[in-house]
Amino acid sequence: AQSVTQPDARVTVSEGASLQLRCKYSSSVTPYLFWYVQYPRQGLQLLLKYYSGDPVVQGVNGFEAEFSKSNSSFHLRKASVHWSDSAVYFCAVSPDSNYQLIWGSGTKLIIKP
Amino acid sequence: DAGVTQTPRHEVAEKGQTIILKCEPVSGHNDLFWYRQTKIQGLELLSYFRSKSLMEDGGAFKDRFKAEMLNSSFSTLKIQPTEPKDSAVYLCASSFLGGKAEQFFGPGTRLTVL
Repeated sequence: AQSVTQPDARVTVSEGASLQLRCKYSSSVTPYLFWYVQYPRQGLQLLLKYYSGDPVVQGVNGFEAEFSKSNSSFHLRKASVHWSDSAVYFCAVSPDSNYQLIWGSGTKLIIKP
Repeated sequence: DAGVTQTPRHEVAEKGQTIILKCEPVSGHNDLFWYRQTKIQGLELLSYFRSKSLMEDGGAFKDRFKAEMLNSSFSTLKIQPTEPKDSAVYLCASSFLGGKAEQFFGPGTRLTVL
C-alpha cells in the first residue's frame, strides 16, 4: 500500500535561513509527487510537482524539491525563507495519473524574526 | 477560469441539526473530493467521485455523512445529525482525468457544532 511520511510535525526556522522539509513515501512504483502549501484560513495550493526527468523540480516562490528514488524521498527546500512562508506544507503522492492523492500529515513551518 | 467554489465559508450548527455544504468544481474536471481537516487527524478523505459516480465513501464517515453529485458542476455534503466532534474545516477539491492527479482546492468551509 502507498503511504507518505512527513516526520516533522513542526519546523522552526529563522527568517533568511535555509529550509528543508522532509517527505518519504512507500510505493512499488515511482509515483507522481507533489508539495502543497496551506496558508492560514485558506485551501491548499500546489507548490510543485514531479512526474519524471530531472530529479530537482522548481516551484513557486523560490521553492524546489528533489526526488530520490534510492531513498524514496521528495524533500522540499528553500535557500532563504521569508516570514510569509509561514504555513503548513503537505507532501502527497499518487501511483499513477488516474489515482487519487495519498497525503502526508503535514509540517507546520514557523518563521522566527 | 473559476477555481473551486465552496459555500458557505463558515457554518455554525447546534448539535443534532442537519447541515449541507456545497461545492462547485473547476469546469471540466472529472474527479471531485471531499476532505475533512482537523489539527489532530489532519486531512481525511470523506468522499471521492469520478464522473459523478461515487468511488469512495470514506468508510468511517458513512453513517452521518452523505456526499452527492447530481451533476458534473455541483456537489453537496450533508451531515445529519451533526455532533460537536464534526467541528472541522471541510475542503472540496477537483482534478482532471489525465491531469496527472493534481488536485485543485476550494477555500474550505469551517464548521462549528455547538
